[in-house]
Amino acid sequence: QVQLVQSGAEVKKPGSSVKVSCKASGPTFSSYAISWVRQAPGQGLEWMGGIIPIFGRRNFAEKFQGRVTITADESTSTAYMELSSLTSEDTATYFCAREHPPYKWNDIRWFDPWGQGTLVTVSS
Amino acid sequence: QSVLTQPPSVSAAPGQKVTISCSGSISNIGNNYVSWYQQLPGTAPKLLIYENNKRPSGISDRFSGSKSGTSATLGITGLQTGDEADYYCGAWDSSLSAYVFGTGTKVPVL
Repeated sequence: QVQLVQSGAEVKKPGSSVKVSCKASGPTFSSYAISWVRQAPGQGLEWMGGIIPIFGRRNFAEKFQGRVTITADESTSTAYMELSSLTSEDTATYFCAREHPPYKWNDIRWFDPWGQGTLVTVSS
Repeated sequence: QSVLTQPPSVSAAPGQKVTISCSGSISNIGNNYVSWYQQLPGTAPKLLIYENNKRPSGISDRFSGSKSGTSATLGITGLQTGDEADYYCGAWDSSLSAYVFGTGTKVPVL
């Protein structure tokens, strides 16, 4: 059973950057894309973008293009999401999730499993 | 803002049935698969339904999904207090080249 374990909570200043990690267990890390989804306090889910390690290809929601960097380290089965130029509106819980089906890019059908979430608080 | 529209809340008593609607367009629900997620308070979302109407292993058959045109529906029968959660639909949007989620529906069990 694949599990995704994320890094711990962060508190950041406005204008700074944050990098969140997502480590996967199991042997199939590279063949499945990993997406990042965020949820502001009391709000709904918002897809940010994803990466499929085996192809090294990424896609992003237009809203986050230019401000988010998504990478993957196949040697450690870990995906990363870095968000720059933080404002208070970026205060949210950030989730990673495995996309299905495998070997697919730009055609997400469902997410399973999800990481436990990482709370990022942006405050001066 | 969310592209898929859900009712903010639906409620019912234990043992009853609820249905949650998810309305979209041809570019998302109309031409792509719908999935549904349950988010219990303070936890990560959990997959309930994939490819419109399939249940992952371990998900109760009290949960069902269907799709017609540009709308989808999640049904929950035999409502239990443990079903109190937020429920989200989602689908790939071919026009946006992005995954879109519904606005979310809170299900309190009366």
